[in-house]
Amino acid sequence: KAGVTQTPRYLIKTRGQQVTLSCSPISGHRSVSWYQQTPGQGLQFLFEYFSETQRNKGNFPGRFSGRQFSNSRSEMNVSTLELGDSALYLCASSALLTGDGGYTFGSGTRLTVV
Amino acid sequence: AQKITQTQPGMFVQEKEAVTLDCTYDTSDPSYGLFWYKQPSSGEMIFLIYQGSYDQQNATEGRYSLNFQKARKSANLVISASQLGDSAMYFCAMKDWAGGGNKLTFGTGTQLKVEL
Repeated sequence: KAGVTQTPRYLIKTRGQQVTLSCSPISGHRSVSWYQQTPGQGLQFLFEYFSETQRNKGNFPGRFSGRQFSNSRSEMNVSTLELGDSALYLCASSALLTGDGGYTFGSGTRLTVV
Repeated sequence: AQKITQTQPGMFVQEKEAVTLDCTYDTSDPSYGLFWYKQPSSGEMIFLIYQGSYDQQNATEGRYSLNFQKARKSANLVISASQLGDSAMYFCAMKDWAGGGNKLTFGTGTQLKVEL
């Protein structure tokens, strides 16, 4: 079966712009969570959606937002981009409410802010 | 708050040898799960192995095994018969159920290099 699909794979944006990243989970998975990975801060949790509801949010400014659609696909948006937002953004999907079934990650979107 | 500590920034191992990657964790929740992921240079996080806090036996998946010592709060990954393709970054992660939702806390990772 198809894995977790993240688009685009690479993105270059200018400071001050906004960006939208997409994540399509494994078919049947209803939980999608997002992570930011940087050399300095490592992997940090952004937020998680389950059945179109945000269940959990990490410690990020309000410029970072997300949503989930009825088909479980998720998008995250970053407004007013800053140089420090340059990172690999990973999404993970899970089948179960509690995540006991494990998490499958996508290949990530590498965002560069110039 | 939960915390994962990986104290080995980098490790070298000879091909066909076994290697142990260290992971210690801290949580106040009696119910939690521990994961190991491999991240090659391409960026994708590849799931390797899972250990639940109530599992009686150490988890094994092919060449991967998890040395789970609950009292010491450690969950070391053992890779047997290392292969060149095992060269990658390895992350230990934990989910506890106290916070609700699906949130993983990651360690800082260990860069493993397998040499001929």
